[in-house]
This record gives sequence, C-alpha cells and structure tokens, in this order.
Amino acid sequence: AQKVTQAQTEISVVEKEDVTLDCVYETRDTTYYLFWYKQPPSGELVFLIRRNSFDEQNEISGRYSWNFQKSTSSFNFTITASQVVDSAVYFCALSDGGTSYGKLTFGQGTILTVHP
Amino acid sequence: GAVVSQHPSWVICKSGTSVKIECRSLDFQATTMFWYRQFPKQSLMLMATSNEGSKATYEQGVEKDKFLINHASLTLSTLTVTSAHPEDSSFYICRPNQETQYFGPGTRLLVL
Repeated sequence: AQKVTQAQTEISVVEKEDVTLDCVYETRDTTYYLFWYKQPPSGELVFLIRRNSFDEQNEISGRYSWNFQKSTSSFNFTITASQVVDSAVYFCALSDGGTSYGKLTFGQGTILTVHP
Repeated sequence: GAVVSQHPSWVICKSGTSVKIECRSLDFQATTMFWYRQFPKQSLMLMATSNEGSKATYEQGVEKDKFLINHASLTLSTLTVTSAHPEDSSFYICRPNQETQYFGPGTRLLVL
C-alpha cells in the first residue's frame, strides 16, 4: 500500500531564512504522481506542484523549489527567503495506480511558522 | 480553469440532525468525486469515492449508512451526514477526478 511520511511535524523559522520540508513516500507502482499542497488557516488547499515518477528534474518556481529523488523515494520542498505569508500547513501527497486523477494519499503535514 | 464549489462553507447543527454538503464542479463534468475528511490538526483522509450513476465506494472504517453519498449528475455530488454526533465535527473536502489540483474549498461541520 502507498504511504507518505512527513517527519517534520512543526518547523519554525525567522523571515528570510531558507526552509526545507521533507517528504518520503512508499509505493509499489512504477508510475505515480507526487504533489505538494499548502493549507493556510482558511483551510482551502492550494496546489503547489505535481510531478510524475518519470520526471526527476528538479523544479524551481520563484522562491519555491522541489527536489525529487527516486533513489531515496523523496520529494522535498524548499522555500527560499521565507516570508510570513508562507506560514501554513504543507502536505505532500501521492497518487499511484498510473494516474494523477486517482486517490491521493496524504502525509501527516508540516506546520510551518515564519516569524517576522 | 476548473472550479469546484462546496456548500455550505460552515454549518453548526445539533446532535442527531442530518447535514447535507454539496460539491459542484462549475465548468466541467466530474464522473468521480473524492470525499476527504480532516479532523483538527490532522491530515486529510479519504472517506469515499462517488461515481456518477452508481454506488459510492467507502474506505475501510467509514460507515456507509452514516455518510450517504449521492452523485446524481456529472456536476453535483452530495455527502449527507446522518444523525450527526460531536465526533463527526470535521472539515469535509471534495475533489473531482478531472483535475487533481482542484479541491473544493471545504465545509466545516460543528456538531453540538
């Protein structure tokens, strides 16, 4: 069965610090998709990225970057020069079965607090 | 882009009453809708999968007679919490199978 582990329950940083959120996953499928979502206090899930298992290129989007390593089954998320608005709960998720439209298995979430 | 709406966004009810939550896909057709539940300070857990025109499938441990799901059209799926109790207080979120990144905004249920 698939599993997603976010070992960091809570992270606290000061504004402008870089922070990395870890995500480790387990799946028996060779085709799968990985996601990161942000959940601000309002509760609505904000999509950040989707990556398929065949694309191991790292990706950068503004202050956000993702490091996907199949060899260690990890899909880590880094925020550079963090800001107070980055404070939220961040979830890593996995969709296997060969489709990105299937069930999502979520990690436990990491609460990020950025202090001014 | 695709948009998913949920109604109501907030509901407070007395124990023993039933609550219906609607999830609509506004500009696309969703043959499948996933319903998730999130208890305070916890992660999202899949409750059930609704399929248009057929019975929903429920995850292990979710009572199908308590959480009634109806997917009567390609744009509307409903979740009814029957005889709600305080332990059902949670955040309920839907997600269509069309575009993975789109979740509904969620419904906060508080049962007193």
